[in-house]
Amino acid sequence: GAGVSQTPSNKVTEKGKYVELRCDPISGHTALYWYRQSLGQGPEFLIYFQGTGAADDSGLPNDRFFAVRPEGSVSTLKIQRTERGDSAVYLCASSRYASGGAVVTDTQYFGPGTRLTVL
Amino acid sequence: DAKTTQPPSMDCAEGRAANLPCNHSTISGNEYVYWYRQIHSQGPQYIIHGLKNNETNEMASLIITEDRKSSTLILPHATLRDTAVYYCIEAGANNLFFGTGTRLTVIP
Repeated sequence: GAGVSQTPSNKVTEKGKYVELRCDPISGHTALYWYRQSLGQGPEFLIYFQGTGAADDSGLPNDRFFAVRPEGSVSTLKIQRTERGDSAVYLCASSRYASGGAVVTDTQYFGPGTRLTVL
Repeated sequence: DAKTTQPPSMDCAEGRAANLPCNHSTISGNEYVYWYRQIHSQGPQYIIHGLKNNETNEMASLIITEDRKSSTLILPHATLRDTAVYYCIEAGANNLFFGTGTRLTVIP
């Protein structure tokens, strides 16, 4: 079946601009996650959604970053006033469910990522 | 954040078994050990996970010590396409903490 898809695959923007990155999760997956990966590092958690609500946004670096998932499927990560330090690969993952505070969670499946370059 | 310890790099001859170790001494009793890998310029790929029993699937085997403080991922017959960064993760919360992983290079 179709996996997680992300668009665009590459995005080049200028410092100070606004960008939107899109994620289409696996059909039927209720949980959706965003991660960011800088060069030479492992992915770092940003935010996750259970359905339409952001259940944990503790990884968002500052208030320039925002994400929505209005219908519980597609999600958009929005970055305002981009800075050169925002340059990274932004990864999206989905899982069938996410445990509500308990330890066990379901396997996350990742998309190919969006490479964001801020000039 | 829950953290694991992995060697930064390993080499393995093509066709031989690749054994990738991981220490997770802080793991809690109900936290799973997950393994992902990331081939250059791709998103992380799920490999296998386990709680306390050894696990095997079509990609790999996972051996977890009885005290659960360490585990080994085994790729039984490594191929050149297995060259990647392998991440061992304590899945304690809904966000995965990846660390820097082990860069496995399969040598022809």
